[in-house]
Amino acid sequence: DGGITQSPKYLFRKEGQNVTLSCEQNLNHDAMYWYRQDPGQGLRLIYYSQIVNDFQKGDIAEGYSVSREKKESFPLTVTSAQKNPTAFYLCASKVQRGGQNTGELFFGEGSRLTVL
Amino acid sequence: QQQVKQSPQSLIVQKGGIPIINCAYENTAFDYFPWYQQFPGKGPALLIAIRPDVSEKKEGRFTISFNKSAKQFSLHIMDSQPGDSATYFCAASKGNDMRFGAGTRLTVKP
Repeated sequence: DGGITQSPKYLFRKEGQNVTLSCEQNLNHDAMYWYRQDPGQGLRLIYYSQIVNDFQKGDIAEGYSVSREKKESFPLTVTSAQKNPTAFYLCASKVQRGGQNTGELFFGEGSRLTVL
Repeated sequence: QQQVKQSPQSLIVQKGGIPIINCAYENTAFDYFPWYQQFPGKGPALLIAIRPDVSEKKEGRFTISFNKSAKQFSLHIMDSQPGDSATYFCAASKGNDMRFGAGTRLTVKP
């Protein structure tokens, strides 16, 4: 079945350590996204990528970095510069039909990062 | 600034009731208005979506009402069931710019 796989599902790290969250999709979608979810704040866009080797900052990119070396993969690194990294992180891709982008996002199941 | 405002923050209804969740947006360029449903520990999943050229869309028990002039849209859930208990997010988008509301936690009591 096609889908988005995020790993790990749960991650604990000490303050000051960089962590990388994995996002892999086998949907053949071009555009991929990273969102951060905090209670009562909805989903906020961190980074997005429309195509391989290209990515753009979202609203809260500070303290995060991404890469898009392959169409299937869009890993997110939470760096020590991120002041409040504890959150639920969601990866998504934009659904395509007939080779055209729709407005629909397909989400993975998320990664919960806790910084101790 | 919050471009999509969603209310209420939480909602409790009895089984069979009709919960209504409201959203308002700022940017008139938005041209796609989806609603997502999220269960605890899972990613959001698309529930229903509307384009601004129609005022209402129904899919099963879920209906979106859209008021372009007021820049508002709402989700109605007919004959709500305990299995509908989840967090619901509205969103508004144009191209790669998708803005989400803060979410509504819905509880449907048996």
